[in-house]
Amino acid sequence: DTGVSQNPRHKITKRGQNVTFRCDPISEHNRLYWYRQTLGQGPEFLTYFQNEAQLEKSRLLSDRFSAERPKGSFSTLEIQRTEQGDSAMYLCASSLKAGEPTDTQYFGPGTRLTVL
Amino acid sequence: GESVGLHLPTLSVQEGDNSIINCAYSNSASDYFIWYKQESGKGPQFIIDIRSNMDKRQGQRVTVLLNKTVKHLSLQIAATQPGDSAVYFCAEMTGTYKYIFGTGTRLKVLA
Repeated sequence: DTGVSQNPRHKITKRGQNVTFRCDPISEHNRLYWYRQTLGQGPEFLTYFQNEAQLEKSRLLSDRFSAERPKGSFSTLEIQRTEQGDSAMYLCASSLKAGEPTDTQYFGPGTRLTVL
Repeated sequence: GESVGLHLPTLSVQEGDNSIINCAYSNSASDYFIWYKQESGKGPQFIIDIRSNMDKRQGQRVTVLLNKTVKHLSLQIAATQPGDSAVYFCAEMTGTYKYIFGTGTRLKVLA
C-alpha cells in the first residue's frame, strides 16, 4: 500500500497527558499537512511542511501543539497537556509540491484522539 | 471571511437515481476545487477536482460543475449505489496549498 499511513489509529488518554501521532506520507510527496476534524465538520487546517520546513501554522495550533518533519519524510504531531477539547480526528495529508501536475492532497485514515 | 458551505446537510436518494450535492464558496480568488468522500471512521477520499479555468469535468460516474459567476460547485453522481453512502465535502484551495473545507453533506442511498 503506497497511500498515506497514520499511527496509531486510535488513542485514548487522560487529561493532562502528552500524546504523539505519526504520519508517513506517500513516498514521492514533499508536502505534508495536518488537519483536525471534529464530528460533523470538515477538516480544519493546522500546519504544513515543504520537505522538512514548517511553512505555516494555523491559529488553531496552540503552544501545546508541536509538529516536526525532521528528515522531510515522516512527521509527528505532539500534543502536550491534553485537554478534553483536543478530542478529535487528526488527519494527515500529502501532496506534490506546487508546479507539479496536481495540487491534490491525499489523506491518511486519521488518528482518533479521545481525551477523558 | 473565507468559507465553503453546503446547502443540504443530508441527501437521501433511491438506488439507481442520480445525486446532486451542492456547495457554495465565498473566495472568488480560489482557483482549485476538490470533492472528497468520507466514510465513517476513515479519512477523506479524493473523488474529483476542477480548476477555475474549467466549468465542467467528468470522471467515472461523477461530474463536477463549477459556476464562478455565482461561486457555486456541484457534484453529480450517476446511478447512485449503496457504496456511495458517505459524507461528501467540497474544498477550495486558496494560495498554493491551503484547503478550506465545508461542513459536509451526508448522502444516504435508499434500497
